[in-house]
Amino acid sequence: QVHLVESGGGVVQPGRSLSLSCGASGFTFGRYSMHWVRQPPGKGLEWVAVISHDGSETYYADSVRGRFTVSRDTSTTTFYVQMNSLRPDDTAVYYCARGNGMFSRPLDYWGQGTLVAVSS
Amino acid sequence: SYVLTQPPSVSVAPGQTARITCGGNDIGLKSVHWFQQRPGQAPVLVVYDDTDRPSGTPERFSGSNSGNTATLTISRVEAGDEADYYCQVWDSSTEQFVFGNGTEVTVL
Repeated sequence: QVHLVESGGGVVQPGRSLSLSCGASGFTFGRYSMHWVRQPPGKGLEWVAVISHDGSETYYADSVRGRFTVSRDTSTTTFYVQMNSLRPDDTAVYYCARGNGMFSRPLDYWGQGTLVAVSS
Repeated sequence: SYVLTQPPSVSVAPGQTARITCGGNDIGLKSVHWFQQRPGQAPVLVVYDDTDRPSGTPERFSGSNSGNTATLTISRVEAGDEADYYCQVWDSSTEQFVFGNGTEVTVL
């Protein structure tokens, strides 16, 4: 069955960097787009970024463009987000999710999330 | 940027019908996906492409989309349906996914 596991969360100071990973299994990784979605404590869902099935295209939310970079490694079936210049309002649970096809397709499987807290 | 508006909360008695709206400019021209998020859990896709259900979603969940409003309908509501529900669309003009603000469904 499809399994997504996020890792790398923790507490980080404002202005610093952090990298999150999402290990994928149970499906042909190279056939699906992958997304990051975040949820600040007590608030709603916010889409963060997407990478195409082959890594050739990426799109970002306005709030993270220029600071976050997504990538993927088909050999290890792992999806990443590199987060730079972190701000307190980046504090959230970060979920990775599988896109069932092209970018507009639904996010049909989600991981359990990893918490990132940006605080001095 | 594209904005999706949902009511903050909906209350419904067991066995009755809950309707959750998602408003957006010409949303009827887009494909709407709906997610259920129970407390402390990751979101789960319950309806996609306006009206389709993934395997595992009960038939009590249905969707519609026309004009400026999409609707998720939960028939014969059960206690286990208590959750937050989010609509989502892909905004092709900005190449971004957009979520609604979420609706908390309370079963009385």
